[in-house]
Amino acid sequence: KNEVEQSPQNLTAQEGEFITINCSYSVGISALHWLQQHPGGGIVSLFMLSSGKKKHGRLIATINIQEKHSSLHITASHPRDSAVYICAVGPYNTDKLIFGTGTRLQVFP
Amino acid sequence: SAVISQKPSRDICQRGTSLTIQCQVDSQVTMMFWYRQQPGQSLTLIATANQGSEATYESGFVIDKFPISRPNLTFSTLTVSNMSPEDSSIYLCSAHGTAYTEAFFGQGTRLTVV
Repeated sequence: KNEVEQSPQNLTAQEGEFITINCSYSVGISALHWLQQHPGGGIVSLFMLSSGKKKHGRLIATINIQEKHSSLHITASHPRDSAVYICAVGPYNTDKLIFGTGTRLQVFP
Repeated sequence: SAVISQKPSRDICQRGTSLTIQCQVDSQVTMMFWYRQQPGQSLTLIATANQGSEATYESGFVIDKFPISRPNLTFSTLTVSNMSPEDSSIYLCSAHGTAYTEAFFGQGTRLTVV
């Protein structure tokens, strides 16, 4: 079993829909990262959080440390949101990150 | 925040040759990492690039195949040596301060070995 599990693996949506991507992890962590990877390969950091909730524009990330679970929400989705979304955790006592396998999102007009 | 310039963005190489990938960060960072991402897969850590000392390699990766340099706190290189088609992947560098800080990534190098 992977230490970081994401669901769903693939997601299609119509423009305007509300989207949720889930991440569960099995290790104690200092922080959790949500990343976005576009087809060209580059990765952009969306959020880093260790508790509660963060919001940036149409994106919202939440984390429940007790349940070892995080969600990334996209409100009013748009075709430009089409990308792979990756959850990564930073375990205690290490500076390395453990990555989930990613969720491929396609938003159609 | 930090901006990482990675180059080349892509290359097609002959088997048996070597390719050096460069990453330049616009500010000093404590930790730099090199990852490989095979098609449809998530990121796999190759090594941690240590400033002024030898890199720390993960299981399955060796210095002879993936030599890494990090001469200062803003620059690192990864060389993929004696390439074979199995080395075709996206290679990414990453930088951050500590586990409690945001992680930044280069744009990736898409390598195809023929």
